[in-house]
Amino acid sequence: LAKTTQPISMDSYEGQEVNITCSHNNIATNDYITWYQQFPSQGPRFIIQGYKTKVTNEVASLFIPADRKSSTLSLPRVSLSDTAVYYCLVGAVNSGYSTLTFGKGTMLLVSP
Amino acid sequence: KAGVTQTPRYLIKTRGQQVTLSCSPISGHRSVSWYQQTPGQGLQFLFEYFSETQRNKGNFPGRFSGRQFSNSRSEMNVSTLELGDSALYLCASSVDSGDGYTFGSGTRLTVV
Repeated sequence: LAKTTQPISMDSYEGQEVNITCSHNNIATNDYITWYQQFPSQGPRFIIQGYKTKVTNEVASLFIPADRKSSTLSLPRVSLSDTAVYYCLVGAVNSGYSTLTFGKGTMLLVSP
Repeated sequence: KAGVTQTPRYLIKTRGQQVTLSCSPISGHRSVSWYQQTPGQGLQFLFEYFSETQRNKGNFPGRFSGRQFSNSRSEMNVSTLELGDSALYLCASSVDSGDGYTFGSGTRLTVV
């Protein structure tokens, strides 16, 4: 399983765009990149998943360069409620061998 | 659409006792995974079940076990509880491994 590296914490202000970068140098051909968000005492919540280039949904965008050794989660115009821990995960999809390996995550603090 | 339901939400047990936690996945989801979350170790994978079969297992002692029923509901059991088993136990379901998992709110187990 590819190991991921993220910043431990990030600070931002309301209304700003936040970009959280994740490194995954040993990503395998079949691996997808998935991001989760977790609030205290709650289970992680799926945000976005991608394989290459760019993926966008109503919540975030995910940018993946051609070499796929890193990825960037982009949160547009964050609010106080976006304060949470964000996890980057790498793993195969529908492989039967896929498990979610969580790293330490990035604690994002959004201030007024 | 009902989410992943975990019961009970909170539990207090004494060392040496055993405990059973329950997870009802989203209808149609056949993959159920269990995770342990502690402040020191973060989120750690316990095991995954798919169509009543354990497909993946994390690095936990044999005191931790689980099963999945024909309706995809899953239970995990911890025997001979230790103080270090105090944690938030999370269940996640998906259509198949690696898809966007949906997590429950967890069961907070305290061992005294």
